[in-house]
Amino acid sequence: SQQGEEDPQALSIQEGENATMNCSYKTSINNLQWYRQNSGRGLVHLILIRSNEREKHSGRLRVTLDTSKKSSSLLITASRAADTASYFCATDRYNTDKLIFGTGTRLQVFP
Amino acid sequence: DTGVSQNPRHKITKRGQNVTFRCDPISEHNRLYWYRQTLGQGPEFLTYFQNEAQLEKSRLLSDRFSAERPKGSFSTLEIQRTEQGDSAMYLCAVTTDTSNGYTFGSGTRLTVV
Repeated sequence: SQQGEEDPQALSIQEGENATMNCSYKTSINNLQWYRQNSGRGLVHLILIRSNEREKHSGRLRVTLDTSKKSSSLLITASRAADTASYFCATDRYNTDKLIFGTGTRLQVFP
Repeated sequence: DTGVSQNPRHKITKRGQNVTFRCDPISEHNRLYWYRQTLGQGPEFLTYFQNEAQLEKSRLLSDRFSAERPKGSFSTLEIQRTEQGDSAMYLCAVTTDTSNGYTFGSGTRLTVV
């Protein structure tokens, strides 16, 4: 089963625009992670935010976490065509040793 | 190079045949995970190892599936009597600590015809 739902399922933007993806989850978590997957490839870890953090930045990425709403958002600023990929949130729940992935957002960035 | 090598990259097999996939992490990681991903979905957990010990198996892992990690380094995933529903991407991931994130391989895409 999958823990999270991501919204939107698909997003198309022009290069230079910002892209925002949202993730909702169901149970209490230890941390939440975002991954990128290029078509037909494995996933690449982008950023991790712990349950006691509210916001985190890494380069053009900004992640927020609202544990009261059980939701997170990933913002990619000044998008590039190379950002075209699927993006997944994954939750690390207490007392488990595995990540549970969401359903993903497919991002298309047009040059 | 992701740090995790998976072979083969693609496998086409006839229904009813057995297949085996291999995952080779380049460096030592005490935890190794197998996930399955179907088109348009996120990865679904199958099983994981802490060193040589298989600590958890998903209900998705029927008795036709078996995984091993004999020396605590590489791992194999075998599917016996394959069915068309087994067609998916099989992903291997490693970590020393789940809270630090996973390193994924590029996956093995299985097509059962």
